[in-house]
Amino acid sequence: GDSVTQMEGPVTLSEEAFLTINCTYTATGYPSLFWYVQYPGEGLQLLLKATKADDKGSNKGFEATYRKETTSFHLEKGSVQVSDSAVYFCALSDQGFQKLVFGTGTRLLVSP
Amino acid sequence: NAGVTQTPKFQVLKTGQSMTLQCAQDMNHEYMSWYRQDPGMGLRLIHYSVGAGITDQGEVPNGYNVSRSTTEDFPLRLLSAAPSQTSVYFCASTETAAYNEQFFGPGTRLTVL
Repeated sequence: GDSVTQMEGPVTLSEEAFLTINCTYTATGYPSLFWYVQYPGEGLQLLLKATKADDKGSNKGFEATYRKETTSFHLEKGSVQVSDSAVYFCALSDQGFQKLVFGTGTRLLVSP
Repeated sequence: NAGVTQTPKFQVLKTGQSMTLQCAQDMNHEYMSWYRQDPGMGLRLIHYSVGAGITDQGEVPNGYNVSRSTTEDFPLRLLSAAPSQTSVYFCASTETAAYNEQFFGPGTRLTVL
């Protein structure tokens, strides 16, 4: 079945450091790929998405490129802020909304 | 627009008790779903609905019931709570199947003793 693998956390960075959170996937079809973010005490929010190979999703300084050849969708940000501290989930959707498959989440902690 | 709302925010149950987690959305979304979030396991789909009167099972449906009598509401029922159902529960909605973007509620933290 479909699956998403994310790097284990927590990822601890100083403010203005470069961020990479790795995400790889396994899917039988051609999925859409997503990054969701969960701030403390809140539900998940869509951060960015890509619907086909080589698409780049971007939002709030974060970006990720859909790499079909490596089945990856790594999240990057050039300069993190304390307010970026949250849990980040990589996810895929292969058969419509009801088949959203999540990774285990990666906690990011950014210190001043 | 309130978006997706869930009640209660916190709940403690004893083993064997039943309860209903409420979920409502005011965006006129056709599709709604329930997930549970457990440490180290991400979110897993429990049940979903593609419209009023239509529901189907997700990845982990055992021990849960749902119904969809209106577009706005999608309650999740625990028939006989078990400690394994201790989790954080999220309700989500989306406009159309093709969109694939889900809007999540703030969650209900459930503890079963």
